[in-house]
Amino acid sequence: GIQVEQSPPDLILQEGANSTLRCNFSDSVNNLQWFHQNPWGQLINLFYIPSGTKQNGRLSATTVATERYSLLYISSSQTTDSGVYFCAVERSGANSKLTFGKGITLSVRP
Amino acid sequence: DAEITQSPRHKITETGRQVTLACHQTWNHNNMFWYRQDLGHGLRLIHYSYGVQDTNKGEVSDGYSVSRSNTEDLPLTLESAASSQTSVYFCASSEGGAGTDTQYFGPGTRLTVL
Repeated sequence: GIQVEQSPPDLILQEGANSTLRCNFSDSVNNLQWFHQNPWGQLINLFYIPSGTKQNGRLSATTVATERYSLLYISSSQTTDSGVYFCAVERSGANSKLTFGKGITLSVRP
Repeated sequence: DAEITQSPRHKITETGRQVTLACHQTWNHNNMFWYRQDLGHGLRLIHYSYGVQDTNKGEVSDGYSVSRSNTEDLPLTLESAASSQTSVYFCASSEGGAGTDTQYFGPGTRLTVL
């Protein structure tokens, strides 16, 4: 099956800093989504981004499908950004089924 | 507002017992999914459904079953609970079809099998 690798596995930031989270995948994809799992366990969809660039407030994401990677940018980080960030991809032909990476644990310190 | 709910939120059971976890969505989505989340493994797909009466096995389906009798519900049954099934279980749904196919997740059920 498709492989999804996220890096770095862990990240510690001081409040106000910027960061880039990376997701590499091993095959062509129809669908790529970024999720944030907050400290209470809730999974929130951040972006649906199979290609191109999107922005939502302090967060933005870019997917370069031809090179099989996606980046999530967090600017001016806040303590509420802490949690685990997952990248999930739908391999071409997989019909809505997502394969998740193992996640990046982000801790933002005040 | 549309939502996806799971019940119970926490469950403790004994080895060998049958357990059913409920998932209910009011998005009117065609697709529904069950995942389990374990340390070191991320989220793994257990079963999924593309519509009423449709069910399919995912990556880690052994010991689990689902049924889809209506659009809103996809209950997950553990036929004979095992300690290896101690995990956090998430249900998700998506619209399906062409276009944006964002998945929306329920709050999760923490299951402990003793």
